[in-house]
Formats: sequence, structure tokens, C-alpha cells
Amino acid sequence: AQSVTQLGSHVSVSEGALVLLRCNYSSSVPPYLFWYVQYPNQGLQLLLKYTTGATLVKGINGFEAEFKKSETSFHLTKPSAHMSDAAEYFCAVINNFNKFYFGSGTKLNVKP
Amino acid sequence: GAGVSQSPRYKVAKRGQDVALRCDPISGHVSLFWYQQALGQGPEFLTYFQNEAQLDKSGLPSDRFFAERPEGSVSTLKIQRTQQEDSAVYLCASSSGTGDYGYTFGSGTRLTVV
Repeated sequence: AQSVTQLGSHVSVSEGALVLLRCNYSSSVPPYLFWYVQYPNQGLQLLLKYTTGATLVKGINGFEAEFKKSETSFHLTKPSAHMSDAAEYFCAVINNFNKFYFGSGTKLNVKP
Repeated sequence: GAGVSQSPRYKVAKRGQDVALRCDPISGHVSLFWYQQALGQGPEFLTYFQNEAQLDKSGLPSDRFFAERPEGSVSTLKIQRTQQEDSAVYLCASSSGTGDYGYTFGSGTRLTVV
């Protein structure tokens, strides 16, 4: 069975500060992991994904995530937050049949 | 098209009314998915098509929900006798199915049942 837990439904950081959004997963098969961003009244936009290979994955807009099998984690980071990063972020794992299991989301607030 | 297009963007339905939500996937994408996103929640899987075949409908919450993709391109999600608990954003996603896991999501249809 697959599931995703996102710690912290709301995260607030100051502009220029480090962004860290936490994601832990449970998967009965080698996981494929994703981070999506959702702006208000919009669909989901892919930030980055881990399928195979290098465990440190770089995505769009300066975000990156590291797959840590021993910790069953796939935390999302960005060194310096911008106001435009304010949005909701979803971590997801996919199963063998291409079915996504999403976390409940983390809303990121960026303070000036 | 360049992206996944969903229509209408917003739909208000009276309880008991039938609704139909449309999804136009990216041209040539063989895989198509529907997800339901309740307010404040992550999207939850409803159903999956590969071409015109509905391979998984395990997420459809009741027999009032029905999805089809008769020609392997456009898909319609139909909800009969809508209930207030059906209020949500319905997201459609498509992928080429080539194993690159490049899924593109539409902007969704926000359904409000009053």
C-alpha cells in the first residue's frame, strides 16, 4: 500500500529564508515520488520527480528534494524563498498502475 | 492542444441535478486520470483510462459517478443526482504513457452543489 504524510499543513517563512516542506511516504514497492505546486484556482504543476538514479533531484524555480530511503522521506527545499513561492505544495507517490497518492498538502506563506 | 483543458471551470448544480464535466487531454496522450479534490485536501484518485479502456474505476465514490472516454481522447465525468458531498474540484490529468511519468494536470472544474 502507498501513502504520503506531509508534516505541517501551514508553513510560514520570511522572504529570503530557507524553505523546508516535509514529506514521508509509505510504499510496498520502490517508490516514484513527486512534488506538485498549486496556485489558487489552478491545477497542479510539477515541481520535480524522483523515479530512479540520483537521489537529489532538482526541479523548477530553484526547488530540490532528496530521496532518503532509510528515512522514507522526500523533503522539498529551496535556499531562499520568494514571494511568488506562496502556494500550496503536494507530495505524491505513485504505484505500479500509475495511480497517484497525494498528501494533504502544505500551504506556504512567504512574509515580506 | 498545448495543455489539458477542462470545462466548465465552474459549475453550480442544484442537489439532485445531473452534471457532466469534460476533459480534453494533450493530443496523443494515451493515459487519462480523474481526481477529486475536496476543500483543504489533496486530490484523490477516481478513475484511469488507457486509450478508451477504463482500467481502474476503484476510486469512484458511488454508482452515481460514471466516466467515459469513447474514442480514446476526450473524457467526460458524469455525476448523477448530485449531493452536497460531491462539491469539490475535479481534476483531469493525462500522460503519454511512455514511462516518463510526465503527467499534466488541467486547471480543474470546481463543482458546487447547493
